[in-house]
Amino acid sequence: AQKVTQAQTEISVVEKEDVTLDCVYETRDTTYYLFWYKQPPSGELVFLIRRNSFDEQNEISGRYSWNFQKSTSSFNFTITASQVVDSAVYFCALSEIRGGATNKLIFGTGTLLAVQP
Amino acid sequence: NAGVTQTPKFRVLKTGQSMTLLCAQDMNHEYMYWYRQDPGMGLRLIHYSVGEGTTAKGEVPDGYNVSRLKKQNFLLGLESAAPSQTSVYFCASRRDLSFSYNEQFFGPGTRLTVL
Repeated sequence: AQKVTQAQTEISVVEKEDVTLDCVYETRDTTYYLFWYKQPPSGELVFLIRRNSFDEQNEISGRYSWNFQKSTSSFNFTITASQVVDSAVYFCALSEIRGGATNKLIFGTGTLLAVQP
Repeated sequence: NAGVTQTPKFRVLKTGQSMTLLCAQDMNHEYMYWYRQDPGMGLRLIHYSVGEGTTAKGEVPDGYNVSRLKKQNFLLGLESAAPSQTSVYFCASRRDLSFSYNEQFFGPGTRLTVL
């Protein structure tokens, strides 16, 4: 069965601190996608990144970086020099991509990040 | 290009009432999904559709029905609302699997309260 675990329910940091959000996944598939979404207080879901299982290169986008490690089934998300605007709930998600599969997203329970000024 | 839109944004129902949530997308996407979001549980898939005229059950389908009569619309119905269906409902859509890029685009959500 597929499962995504975000063990950190809430994290509170002070502005300019670095913070890492953990994501551990389970799947029997050898081919899959991993995602991170951001849900700010306004409620919408904002796509941040997609990573396929064949690409273990880490990615950096501005203050955001992602560390994908198949050996530990983890896809962690780091925000460098956090800002108040980063305050949101962050979801990690997993999607199968077998032939004929319907690309259903399996979400973790989310991590609430509060960045204090 | 409005992306994915949901109607209504908010709704309060009494137990036993019925209602339909409308999801519309203008990106010509084949796949559409309905999720519900509850505190501490993330998003869970209710129903989904792989194309016009097709629907299938997701993880938590009980108490809901769906229809996809037109490619751009995906309707979620509650025939007899229950307090357990109080939640935020999200619709999403994505391109066909023939494209390698398979991001799901989400609507803004509908906050439903059942009293």
